[in-house]
Amino acid sequence: QQPVQSPQAVILREGEDAVINCSSSKALYSVHWYRQKHGEAPVFLMILLKGGEQKGHEKISASFNEKKQQSSLYLTASQLSYSGTYFCGTEPRNYGQNFVFGPGTRLSVLP
Amino acid sequence: DTEVTQTPKHLVMGMTNKKSLKCEQHMGHRAMYWYKQKAKKPPELMFVYSYEKLSINESVPSRFSPECPNSSLLNLHLHALQPEDSALYLCASSQGSGLRQPQHFGDGTRLSIL
Repeated sequence: QQPVQSPQAVILREGEDAVINCSSSKALYSVHWYRQKHGEAPVFLMILLKGGEQKGHEKISASFNEKKQQSSLYLTASQLSYSGTYFCGTEPRNYGQNFVFGPGTRLSVLP
Repeated sequence: DTEVTQTPKHLVMGMTNKKSLKCEQHMGHRAMYWYKQKAKKPPELMFVYSYEKLSINESVPSRFSPECPNSSLLNLHLHALQPEDSALYLCASSQGSGLRQPQHFGDGTRLSIL
């Protein structure tokens, strides 16, 4: 039931772009994206509720392909503050299956 | 600083102790959650309260007992825990009753079982 995330880890230089993917074997109602820095609480980034929806704020955006049960998080012109572990969380459509986070993608942005 | 406050920040207890974790939010949120997070792993959903009623229990052992006294407070009562229960316990809250709302997390309680 846990979604799959790729890549597991990525290292960037400041100013470079990155894409983090999340895919599920289940039909989904929603996909959430959170970032967690070491020793801190997860912080909400965005939620996608409709197939094909794309949301964003500042230089972080995301898309959701409902038919493929896939979501991607796009980080453009990365900043040092983007470092952390990114988790997608999925809410399956099927009754009795609950919200679950993916294993996470560790992003390191270097100067 | 987060708007979801968890106490204590750290807790060390023996396997025979009884303790409680507390979580408080004043954002008017009507859904509250408990998660367990092991090192280098994602948070795992344990319980969800919606409008002060338990709506989701992810087959959590009975040594963990949640309680929601009112819409702002969430407790997790611990009894006879095992060493493998050592983890970071996160509380979160969201508006409404569904899982289609952003979740706001507290900083967590780091629990160590001796």
